Amino acid sequence: DAKTTQPTSMDCAEGRAANLPCNHSTISGNEYVYWYRQIHSQGPQYIIHGLKNNETNEMASLIITEDRKSSTLILPHATLRDTAVYYCIVRPGGTGTASKLTFGTGTRLQVTL
Amino acid sequence: GAVVSQHPSRVICKSGTSVKIECRSLDFQATTMFWYRQFPKQSLMLMATSNEGSKATYEQGVEKDKFLINHASLTLSTLTVTSAHPEDSSFYICSAYRGSSYEQYFGPGTRLTVT
Repeated sequence: DAKTTQPTSMDCAEGRAANLPCNHSTISGNEYVYWYRQIHSQGPQYIIHGLKNNETNEMASLIITEDRKSSTLILPHATLRDTAVYYCIVRPGGTGTASKLTFGTGTRLQVTL
Repeated sequence: GAVVSQHPSRVICKSGTSVKIECRSLDFQATTMFWYRQFPKQSLMLMATSNEGSKATYEQGVEKDKFLINHASLTLSTLTVTSAHPEDSSFYICSAYRGSSYEQYFGPGTRLTVT
């Protein structure tokens, strides 16, 4: 699996956009970029994923650079409930055994008043 | 949305005993489930991949005789920690893919404390 690099921690004021970067310079052509988050003492929660196009859903937007070597997760209006560890993961497509997720250390996002 | 449940949510057991943790996919069938372990202030570590009707695939360094995995149906996988010791105390989390969806759904986790 390609590795990812994320900042250890970030702060964001409530109501502002939170932009979480991720570097994945060794990503392969068939690998997707996934974002999950984990709120303290809970199981991870899926946020969004993409291959090469930018994606948006009700939770966030995912911006992938044209060379696919990096991406940014955007939470448009962060709230206190968005305080969590955010994981950027790259993996091949599919849902079988080969598509397991490898979690790195993630970015600890602290949203403050 | 898809829901994955785990039972129990918390368990305390004495050293040397065995503990079984259940993982259920509540509204979909899961041919593949995954088991993770998370120690305090650390990231999730994949322990094994559970395949319905066949043997689990364990990650390197995970003792298959200590962490028994059974995936007897398309909605249930169990993890049994045998002869538990204090160092097995951890947060155990399962996950599953729903059909052809590329989203992996996670359970709420089970906090195991071995005294």
